[in-house]
Amino acid sequence: EAGVAQSPRYKIIEKRQSVAFWCNPISGHATLYWYQQILGQGPKLLIQFQNNGVVDDSQLPKDRFSAERLKGVDSTLKIQPAKLEDSAVYLCASSPNRAHSYEQYFGPGTRLTVT
Amino acid sequence: AQTVTQSQPEMSVQEAETVTLSCTYDTSENNYYLFWYKQPPSRQMILVIRQEAYKQQNATENRFSVNFQKAAKSFSLKISDSQLGDTAMYFCAFRADFGNEKLTFGTGTRLTIIP
Repeated sequence: EAGVAQSPRYKIIEKRQSVAFWCNPISGHATLYWYQQILGQGPKLLIQFQNNGVVDDSQLPKDRFSAERLKGVDSTLKIQPAKLEDSAVYLCASSPNRAHSYEQYFGPGTRLTVT
Repeated sequence: AQTVTQSQPEMSVQEAETVTLSCTYDTSENNYYLFWYKQPPSRQMILVIRQEAYKQQNATENRFSVNFQKAAKSFSLKISDSQLGDTAMYFCAFRADFGNEKLTFGTGTRLTIIP
């Protein structure tokens, strides 16, 4: 079975620019997560989707970050405008459903550098 | 809110030896899950082992085992007969049982296996 796909793998932008990341979860997985992993820290949940609805976005900086999962399959995370402190690896993960969210499967991540 | 603490930023061990990674956590929940995730260099994060808090028996997966001390809120990972492929960042993570499935991660331990 194919794993979680993410693109791009690397992105370098200047501060105040916009950027978007894409995630395609494992086929059939209803729950999708976006994490931010700053260098030297563990991943931090930004947003969790169940199908196309938001379950938890309490740690998403909504003034600059947005995410959508319109058809309940793939998802896009956007940052506009980017700040230096947004430099991090953005991880996407999926799980079959909320009851089995202990089985989270992670993608390779997108490494963002903001200069 | 839950917190997860990993007090060992880096560890190294000779190949074939045994190593133990430490993790402590704080929660007011009674039912929850604890996990160890492995993140190899430039590769995606994978689940190593899972422990349900209601189970008294420590989880074991081949060379990986845990020492779960619920009263002490301690959850250590033991890797036996360490192999070069075990070189990675190891993250301890917590998940509540009901209502909030997000993973809370520690800051990680960088483990290096020396040939």
